[in-house]
Amino acid sequence: AQSVTQLDSQVPVFEEAPVELRCNYSSSVSVYLFWYVQYPNQGLQLLLKYLSGSTLVESINGFEAEFNKSQTSFHLRKPSVHISDTAEYFCAVSVPSGGYQKVTFGTGTKLQVIP
Amino acid sequence: NAGVTQTPKFQVLKTGQSMTLQCAQDMNHEYMSWYRQDPGMGLRLIHYSVGAGITDQGEVPNGYNVSRSTTEDFPLRLLSAAPSQTSVYFCASKRGWTNEKLFFGSGTQLSVL
Repeated sequence: AQSVTQLDSQVPVFEEAPVELRCNYSSSVSVYLFWYVQYPNQGLQLLLKYLSGSTLVESINGFEAEFNKSQTSFHLRKPSVHISDTAEYFCAVSVPSGGYQKVTFGTGTKLQVIP
Repeated sequence: NAGVTQTPKFQVLKTGQSMTLQCAQDMNHEYMSWYRQDPGMGLRLIHYSVGAGITDQGEVPNGYNVSRSTTEDFPLRLLSAAPSQTSVYFCASKRGWTNEKLFFGSGTQLSVL
């Protein structure tokens, strides 16, 4: 069975500072990896995903994540955060299961950007 | 374009009461699912459906029933609510068997007293 570990439940960071949100996964089969973001009182939205090809993927708002197969990681980074990035971030892994793609989420990391 | 619509947004129940959380999507997605979100536990899959008439259990199905009579609707039923079912519930959908992204509703906050 696959699993996703987000090592940090909360990450406070000052505005304009860099940030890294960590995600590690375990799976016996090939995986597809996602980062979702949840703003207060909203549902989750896809931030970025890795399916194949280049191991570095980027979002439209400056986040990036790198798939590292040897370390089974998919850490999320941003070189300079803004107040509007305050949200909860979920790493997710998708694996084939019984004819469909089963998605398993991590426990989430709350990013608090401090002015 | 409405996307995934969940109702109600908030609900308070007494132990033993029953209720149905509604979920509808207008994107013709084959795959629909229900998650519950609890502090420190992330999102856990309750039930999912890969098409009308087809449903299956996720990680935490006990205490919940689902049915899928149409492509658009995927209601979640609590037959006898328990305090352990106090949570935020999200419905999500996506196209078929693919790795397309999940589209989430805005959630239902349920309290069982």
